[in-house]
Amino acid sequence: ELKVEQNPLFLSMQEGKNYTIYCNYSTTSDRLYWYRQDPGKSLESLFVLLSNGAVKQEGRLMASLDTKARLSTLHITAAVHDLSATYFCAVADTPLVFGKGTRLSVIA
Amino acid sequence: SQTIHQWPATLVQPVGSPLSLECTVEGTSNPNLYWYRQAAGRGLQLLFYSVGIGQISSEVPQNLSASRPQDRQFILSSKKLLLSDSGFYLCAWSVRTGYNNQPQHFGDGTRLSIL
Repeated sequence: ELKVEQNPLFLSMQEGKNYTIYCNYSTTSDRLYWYRQDPGKSLESLFVLLSNGAVKQEGRLMASLDTKARLSTLHITAAVHDLSATYFCAVADTPLVFGKGTRLSVIA
Repeated sequence: SQTIHQWPATLVQPVGSPLSLECTVEGTSNPNLYWYRQAAGRGLQLLFYSVGIGQISSEVPQNLSASRPQDRQFILSSKKLLLSDSGFYLCAWSVRTGYNNQPQHFGDGTRLSIL
């Protein structure tokens, strides 16, 4: 059974700082997705990572995938308040398996 | 382009009452369809998924049921709601391939409160 672990589950960071969210998974998979959820809202697709070594960047967020280590990272650069949200990774299986989410709070 | 619609957006129901939530997808054919529940401040719990009309897989035992009467319509139902059924219900779709591992696209959700 595929297990997906995200850490940290809660993250409070200052504006302007950098930080990384980790997503580990337990069995082989070559596809991974990152989603963002704002409070009270639905999930929005952020990144689609389709192969080992894939790296995608959008603004202050950068996601990468290492299928050999079974690890994906979501790196936040120079955080701003607008990035406050919950971030989920989801690993390709039948169907997708989601992590528990990382609740990010960016404070001044 | 593809769109997914869920309704209602919010719902307040008494314990023991029935439930029907509807989800439809436009702009694609033969999608995989999913129902998730999210308790307040928690992660996603997959309830049901469907790979075709009349084909429903249930992930957890519960007093909910799902049906897919048409290719792009997915319905979540209950005959008698429990307090524990409160939560944020999300419908999602994905392209159907041989591997069922495509990214999922989510509707806006239904916030269900049971009194």
